[in-house]
Amino acid sequence: EIVMTQSPATLSVSPGERATLSCRASQSVSSNLAWYQHKPGQAPRLLIYGASTRATGFPARFSGSGSGTEFTLTISSLQSEDFAIYYCQQYDNWPRTFGQGTKVEIK
Amino acid sequence: QLQLQESGPGLVKPSETLSLTCIVSGGSISGYYWSWIRQPPGKRLEWVGYIYYSRNTDYNPSPSGSTNYNPSLESRVTISVDMSKNQVSLKVRFVTAADTAVYYCAKLGTKHSANYLADDWGQGTLVTVSS
Repeated sequence: EIVMTQSPATLSVSPGERATLSCRASQSVSSNLAWYQHKPGQAPRLLIYGASTRATGFPARFSGSGSGTEFTLTISSLQSEDFAIYYCQQYDNWPRTFGQGTKVEIK
Repeated sequence: QLQLQESGPGLVKPSETLSLTCIVSGGSISGYYWSWIRQPPGKRLEWVGYIYYSRNTDYNPSPSGSTNYNPSLESRVTISVDMSKNQVSLKVRFVTAADTAVYYCAKLGTKHSANYLADDWGQGTLVTVSS
């Protein structure tokens, strides 16, 4: 199965600053890569799919890029509601697999 | 607005069967893929499997729908639907402590390159396996 590795594990950012999250796949997943946002006590939300397409309800400050094995999620100017755990997930191969998550916390 | 709610026992004994139900409201389960995903404490999310079922029997390869399970769990897992109750169910047999996790049900509704992504999730339910 494909192993997804995210970095860093924790990212401390001040509101208004830029956050850059990385995700690496153990083999190419083409552009079959999604990002999910997960806040404690809430349901996870699909944020990005196709490596770069924003899902419904998310603002333009969220952007995704990459293909093959290297992917990036960028939050251009962090707002208070963006502090959460972000997971990448490949869906190129079954079983689909997730990264271990990056926690974005308030600095 | 679609809502998913997982329900079931929070505690299961080792070697017994874990049974969970996903109650879907605000829409029909027919014609969609439905999945179960779990997250053991301190570990990453893990796909358990998914099912597709349609009222239109022309789209069902078998009477019980089409399923796909994580190979690591396939021998112990069954996902099924109850159209009369608009529910999706999960059974995991012969559980061990390693099956302790928050279990989520999710609808696979967003399509990309012939794949469907989990775009509606329940809040999850914690199941602990312990004697």
